[in-house]
Amino acid sequence: NAGVTQTPKFQVLKTGQSMTLQCAQDMNHNSMYWYRQDPGMGLRLIYYSASEGTTDKGEVPNGYNVSRLNKREFSLRLESAAPSQTSVYFCASSEGLAAAYEQYFGPGTRLTVT
Amino acid sequence: AQKITQTQPGMFVQEKEAVTLDCTYDTSDQSYGLFWYKQPSSGEMIFLIYQGSYDEQNATEGRYSLNFQKARKSANLVISASQLGDSAMYFCAMRDPSSGSARQLTFGSGTQLTVLP
Repeated sequence: NAGVTQTPKFQVLKTGQSMTLQCAQDMNHNSMYWYRQDPGMGLRLIYYSASEGTTDKGEVPNGYNVSRLNKREFSLRLESAAPSQTSVYFCASSEGLAAAYEQYFGPGTRLTVT
Repeated sequence: AQKITQTQPGMFVQEKEAVTLDCTYDTSDQSYGLFWYKQPSSGEMIFLIYQGSYDEQNATEGRYSLNFQKARKSANLVISASQLGDSAMYFCAMRDPSSGSARQLTFGSGTQLTVLP
């Protein structure tokens, strides 16, 4: 059971370049999330998708876009990367948005923008 | 204001001993969920334990238990019989309605636990 998978695991970009981070889950979860983790900090929500066909902004959405391609897949796009976006990016999924549902995380993507 | 506060940036514990990691939270809602996650040096986030605000009993999962004191708004993680593999960063997190419709997880800053042989 793969759970939540993310690609790539590592990426180096130059300022201004674009890229898409891919995420897929095989747990038939309705809700999916993208977080970023900066050094010495907890995770902060970038965007989320409550269910297939919907997306919404989280705490730190500026500079990002997302696509909920289908129930399994949720991608994060950086249109013009900036050094401030150097971070570790985590995708997560849960059965739904209710407070009781734990979120399952992917292994993360370590992104460096030079 | 901080919604989740973890006051111990680092903790040390001797192997086979128990250790308590502190977490206090701030919410005015009656319905919320508290979570603990483990992040080893490899970087993945591993779900450990969940406590609902209406749960009367403290949650337990194997060697993990959550000391839930609702009136004090604390949700401390207790790890019994520590093992070397428990060395990791531990995050306390909360989901509550005031997080917005996302009911996103709000994380604390984490506690780095080191288990000594």
